[in-house]
Amino acid sequence: KNEVEQSPQNLTAQEGEFITINCSYSVGISALHWLQQHPGGGIVSLFMLSSGKKKHGRLIATINIQEKHSSLHITASHPRDSAVYICAVKGKKTSYDKVIFGPGTSLSVIP
Amino acid sequence: DVKVTQSSRYLVKRTGEKVFLECVQDMDHENMFWYRQDPGLGLRLIYFSYDVKMKEKGDIPEGYSVSREKKERFSLILESASTNQTSMYLCASSLWDPLSSNQPQHFGDGTRLSIL
Repeated sequence: KNEVEQSPQNLTAQEGEFITINCSYSVGISALHWLQQHPGGGIVSLFMLSSGKKKHGRLIATINIQEKHSSLHITASHPRDSAVYICAVKGKKTSYDKVIFGPGTSLSVIP
Repeated sequence: DVKVTQSSRYLVKRTGEKVFLECVQDMDHENMFWYRQDPGLGLRLIYFSYDVKMKEKGDIPEGYSVSREKKERFSLILESASTNQTSMYLCASSLWDPLSSNQPQHFGDGTRLSIL
């Protein structure tokens, strides 16, 4: 069983839809990171959070430490949101600054 | 803004060749990382470095080595390239914070390496 899992693996949405991507993990963590990777490879950091909720524009990230679960929400989705979204955790028992990455969720937003 | 620059976006080499992938960051970050990304496997850590001339093995160091002679530059070396090293390679850097290790990693655009 992977230490970090994401669902769904692939997601297709119509422009304007509300989107939720889920991340669950099995290790104790000190922080969770949501990343966005566009076609072509570049990875951009979206959020880093260790509790509660963070919001940036149309993106909202939440985390429930007790349930070991995080969600990334996109409101009013747009074709430019099409990308792979990756959840990553900094485990408490991992070696120095090691991060465990989820497999990614591939999102396609259709006009 | 942090800039992490990888020397090549696409690279094609032959089996047995010695391959160098270069990464440079411009924000004086202590930590630098090399990952490979393969379909279905996500990002896997090859090596990381938390200071000049310091290196630590990640999850999949076999077949790779690294060099950190200057703080801003972290090189990944494939001593004798093999076809199973065909992959996307991503470099990242982060600040070392003595109060918390939770500084975000900043990624380069990746190098898509093909070994023929």
